[in-house]
Amino acid sequence: SQTIHQWPATLVQPVGSPLSLECTVEGTSNPNLYWYRQAAGRGLQLLFYSVGIGQISSEVPQNLSASRPQDRQFILSSKKLLLSDSGFYLCAWSGRMYEQYFGPGTRLTVT
Amino acid sequence: AQSVAQPEDQVNVAEGNPLTVKCTYSVSGNPYLFWYVQYPNRGLQFLLKYITGDNLVKGSYGFEAEFNKSQTSFHLKKPSALVSDSALYFCAVRDATSGAGSYQLTFGKGTKLSVIP
Repeated sequence: SQTIHQWPATLVQPVGSPLSLECTVEGTSNPNLYWYRQAAGRGLQLLFYSVGIGQISSEVPQNLSASRPQDRQFILSSKKLLLSDSGFYLCAWSGRMYEQYFGPGTRLTVT
Repeated sequence: AQSVAQPEDQVNVAEGNPLTVKCTYSVSGNPYLFWYVQYPNRGLQFLLKYITGDNLVKGSYGFEAEFNKSQTSFHLKKPSALVSDSALYFCAVRDATSGAGSYQLTFGKGTKLSVIP
């Protein structure tokens, strides 16, 4: 069966510091991968998606970036965090089925 | 463009009563429709989907949803609510006619369900 991991689970970072969040999927190959941010108000915002290694599509221009160095690894990064980057970050994957499956999330607080 | 509306921010229901969480959608072509549930500080869990076929779709934990093309709705239902059903529920849509590479789901803003003992 497939599983998706995210780490860290929680993170507190000062403004201006760098960020690296990691997501890995097990039990499938060539998944589509997604990064979402969920603000306190609950809505989901798609940040990036990837259909293959090195292929990244950005949905929202901002100070975040994503990379996919391996088939089942998806990384969200920032060089300098802003207060507005605080939120709950969710990674998801999809295969030949239509639905997406989500990881447990990372709670990021920028202070 | 595709969009989803969940008209109720919060739904309260007594334990044992039937529950309905509403969702309406807008797509150019035929819709693929999904429901997810989120417990506090957790990721979203997939409940059920409508792709094609029978308008009544059954999913996990006793939930079901009815696809109504004329009303562009996909309401989530359960015959008898449990306190443990209290959570945040999201409806999502994807246009079936979107081209290759358009894998995005559009999510509603979520409805908080509270089941009162």
